[in-house]
Amino acid sequence: ETGVTQSPTHLIKTRGQQVTLRCSSQSGHNTVSWYQQALGQGPQFIFQYYREEENGRGNFPPRFSGLQFPNYSSELNVNALELDDSALYLCASSLDGTGGNTIYFGEGSWLTVV
Amino acid sequence: AQSVTQLDSQVPVFEEAPVELRCNYSSSVSVYLFWYVQYPNQGLQLLLKYLSGSTLVKGINGFEAEFNKSQTSFHLRKPSVHISDTAEYFCAVSENSGNTPLVFGKGTRLSVIA
Repeated sequence: ETGVTQSPTHLIKTRGQQVTLRCSSQSGHNTVSWYQQALGQGPQFIFQYYREEENGRGNFPPRFSGLQFPNYSSELNVNALELDDSALYLCASSLDGTGGNTIYFGEGSWLTVV
Repeated sequence: AQSVTQLDSQVPVFEEAPVELRCNYSSSVSVYLFWYVQYPNQGLQLLLKYLSGSTLVKGINGFEAEFNKSQTSFHLRKPSVHISDTAEYFCAVSENSGNTPLVFGKGTRLSVIA
């Protein structure tokens, strides 16, 4: 139990639709990051938020966007869904985001795009 | 930029036998190193991490890893595995400065056979 909770756990969307995934960070953690894990692959960094500001982004197109709220919970939004967006989306939280701090992962949201 | 290579995609091993999961990394700067475990339909759990100091790092569940800077390796070992160790194992690296994300390998599937 990491204290990071994600919702929904599973969802199915149609190509072209939009999706919002939600994450509640571990208590006291002000940094949240999102990763995409395609089947049979390792997680890939999407972006990170620190105190409500995006402070790092991986190689993902602008249709992947996010928010972090004052209570440090977070959302990942994906517009114009494509079949290749089907994956497990992992939210992770940490204290300050300083390199070396333990990053705690949630159990993920499984997204299937048909 | 960093990269991680996990040399074995699958490792079958008999119960109570020793196991080593191999990880090599590439980076132009100093790094932190991590091993995460992912049980079926779950998120990632930190096994251990190397930040500095002793190159032999002990983690949870009887796992340990050794950082070898000259070989750019961070292999994970356990002297005697249990059925419950069956899972996917991910090696990850991040820069050892500032607020940098994790870069993961593709994972190694450890299957423990009774």
